[in-house]
Amino acid sequence: AQTVTQSQPEMSVQEAETVTLSCTYDTSESDYYLFWYKQPPSRQMILVIRQEAYKQQNATENRFSVNFQKAAKSFSLKISDSQLGDAAMYFCAILFSGTYKYIFGTGTRLKVLA
Amino acid sequence: NAGVTQTPKFQVLKTGQSMTLQCAQDMNHNSMYWYRQDPGMGLRLIYYSASEGTTDKGEVPNGYNVSRLNKREFSLRLESAAPSQTSVYFCASRELAGGSSEQYFGPGTRLTVT
Repeated sequence: AQTVTQSQPEMSVQEAETVTLSCTYDTSESDYYLFWYKQPPSRQMILVIRQEAYKQQNATENRFSVNFQKAAKSFSLKISDSQLGDAAMYFCAILFSGTYKYIFGTGTRLKVLA
Repeated sequence: NAGVTQTPKFQVLKTGQSMTLQCAQDMNHNSMYWYRQDPGMGLRLIYYSASEGTTDKGEVPNGYNVSRLNKREFSLRLESAAPSQTSVYFCASRELAGGSSEQYFGPGTRLTVT
């Protein structure tokens, strides 16, 4: 079965500190794409960062970066210099190449402490 | 440019009632999706439409029907609502039929079935 696991239901971080959210997945496919989405209290889902499995270089978007370990099937999100506006639910998702179905993890709620 | 819009934003139904959730996108996207979000479950795919004129079942299609009315609109119908369908429903769209393009989400509909 193809699954996405986020083992941390909730995380906390001090403002300006760094936090890492974990995501692991299970698949026998070799070609896929990985995403992190943010869902603030407004409920609007927003793409944070994406990674193509064929790329060895880890994706970076400003304060957000990933640690993609393909052999370990791990895709963690690092948030540097955390801000109060980063408080949200974060969802990891996978899309297999040539398909239309995304599989989402159960989410990690991030709290940012002032 | 409104992106993905959903109506209504909130709805309360009684068991056995029917209703249709509306979704429209103005980004000329090919693919459209319906998800439900439940606490601790992440987002689960109900139905999707890879392109105008096609629809396919997702992970949790029972109790739902969909219509891809045209390229812009993708509706979700509950024929006989049940308390188990109490959830937040998200519509999403995506530009390309394949590739790593991100999904754009609507603001969600919170549905309560009593």
